[in-house]
This record gives sequence, structure tokens and C-alpha cells, in this order.
Amino acid sequence: KAGVTQTPRYLIKTRGQQVTLSCSPISGHRSVSWYQQTPGQGLQFLFEYFSETQRNKGNFPGRFSGRQFSNSRSEMNVSTLELGDSALYLCASSLGGIAYNSPLHFGNGTRLTVT
Amino acid sequence: QQQVKQSPQSLIVQKGGISIINCAYENTAFDYFPWYQQFPGKGPALLIAIRPDVSEKKEGRFTISFNKSAKQFSLHIMDSQPGDSATYFCAAQQSQTGANNLFFGTGTRLTVIP
Repeated sequence: KAGVTQTPRYLIKTRGQQVTLSCSPISGHRSVSWYQQTPGQGLQFLFEYFSETQRNKGNFPGRFSGRQFSNSRSEMNVSTLELGDSALYLCASSLGGIAYNSPLHFGNGTRLTVT
Repeated sequence: QQQVKQSPQSLIVQKGGISIINCAYENTAFDYFPWYQQFPGKGPALLIAIRPDVSEKKEGRFTISFNKSAKQFSLHIMDSQPGDSATYFCAAQQSQTGANNLFFGTGTRLTVIP
């Protein structure tokens, strides 16, 4: 089975621009979560989508948004980029059931650099 | 506010030795505690996980010890190998919400010296 696929792997943007990141979950997985990883803050939860609905949201500004399509693929959008948005953005998928029986599987991330 | 505190930040162990990483949490509603392993350039990969109804879980050379009353849990890597050199993250989740919101520790960079 193919793993979680994130595209692109690397992205360089300028302050004020917007960016869209894409995630294809493992086949059959209905839940997609997004995490931001930085050296200073570690791994922080952005939001989760399940069956095209946002099920949970972390403590990030409204500039961070996402959506999920009917095939479970997900996109994350960041508008009006700031230097502090430079990070590794990780997507994780799961079946969407009870955590112990439905662990998260992470992709290799998109490295976003904002200049 | 860091909901899961992890230590040490870095760890150097000789090949064949035991690596121990500790985590502590405050939220007693957490009921799922996974450990993730991350290699450079890769995403975190689930290593082992435990629920609070057991005090220990072992999978191969990896063991989680869980102390519910102290709100602490730890990862023990027996017979550490150079291939174990990676960053390890503990995490916690309140699984009853049904949402996949993991709270991660800040990570431990393990180096196993041959």
C-alpha cells in the first residue's frame, strides 16, 4: 500500500504570498490531519478533516485553512505568508476511528521557506 | 503551554546500551500515548503505543513503561543500535473526542555510537 504522499517536497515563497500544500492519504483512510514542525515549537496540530468536514482545529490564526475532497485528498492553504511560517508541514492520515486502533501515518512533509 | 514534557533533549548511548526517554503530562483525560521515531528528511513513524490501562508494553527491543498516578511514561530501547539514531517524540491524545489531535513532546535526539 502506498504511504501518505505530500507535494511539493520543497517550496520557497515570499512574505505576503499565499501557498497551497497537497496531501494524498493512504488508500481507505478517511481522516487527514495537518501538523506544523519547527525547531522551536516542535510538532503542533493545525487541523483535522474527516469525510470532508473539519473535525478539530488547533490554535493557529485564520490564515491557515484546509479542505478535504470526496476522495479524502486534502489541501492546506496559508495566506499572507509571514517569515515565521517557515516550517515543515506534515500531513497524517488514519482510518478515523478510535486512536489506538487507528494510528496516524505521516507523510514526509513539505518544507516551506518564506523569505 | 507544553502539554507533554519530554526529556532529555539529546541522548548519546553506546551500541548495546539502554536508551531511556521520559515524558510527563498533566491532562488526565489523555488516554492514548504513542511514540514516534523520525529520521532526517522523513516524517514521524509510529513506533509503539500504550493505553493507560496497562503499565508496560513491549515490542521487540522497545518498551513503554507507564505510571498513571505519576502521569509519566517512558520509552526504553534495549540493546541500542546505530540504526536507532533518530529523533524520538512522545505524544498524548484524548481519544474519546474521536479527533486526531496529538500533543507532542519536544523530541529527543538519540545518537548511538558504534
